[in-house]
Amino acid sequence: EDKVVQSPLSLVVHEGDTVTLNCSYEVTNFRSLLWYKQEKKAPTFLFMLTSSGIEKKSGRLSSILDKKELFSILNITATQTGDSAVYLCAPWVASGGSNYKLTFGKGTLLTVNP
Amino acid sequence: DGGITQSPKYLFRKEGQNVTLSCEQNLNHDAMYWYRQDPGQGLRLIYYSQIVNDFQKGDIAEGYSVSREKKESFPLTVTSAQKNPTAFYLCASSSPSWPTYEQYFGPGTRLTVT
Repeated sequence: EDKVVQSPLSLVVHEGDTVTLNCSYEVTNFRSLLWYKQEKKAPTFLFMLTSSGIEKKSGRLSSILDKKELFSILNITATQTGDSAVYLCAPWVASGGSNYKLTFGKGTLLTVNP
Repeated sequence: DGGITQSPKYLFRKEGQNVTLSCEQNLNHDAMYWYRQDPGQGLRLIYYSQIVNDFQKGDIAEGYSVSREKKESFPLTVTSAQKNPTAFYLCASSSPSWPTYEQYFGPGTRLTVT
């Protein structure tokens, strides 16, 4: 059974702090891994990671994948109150034939206090 | 504007009634997905479909049914057999070609059954 574990489940920080969110996975037929941000509505896409060791960056957010150790991290530097959200990771897996699906972790709830 | 439409945003039903949630996309995506989200949980896959007239059960398909008669539409019926139907339901779509890309989400339908 495919398994995705995110840690910590929740985190409270002060504005300006740097945070690291973790995502470990045990899935068959791994293809790539996605990170999403969710603020009480539909998730919004952050990154797609396909290759190990190549950092993806977008402003204060960055992410990297380790396909040997089966994990990914999402870093947020100089956090702002607008970063408060649930962060979800989800590997794409091939599920037979030409079918693909995402398996989501439970998410990390990040709260950034002013 | 391309995107995914889910209606209605909020839905209230009495226990024992079937209810159908609408999902339409104009992104010309082949693959469509239904997820359920409960408080403090990640997204759990209900059903997915890669092509018209074909669909697969996800991790929590019991008590739900779907149809895929048109590429643009993937309605979800929550039947009276679903024991705990109150939840936030998200529809998503993606292009299934490799390398797989992000999954696009609709705004969601919040279903309350009393």
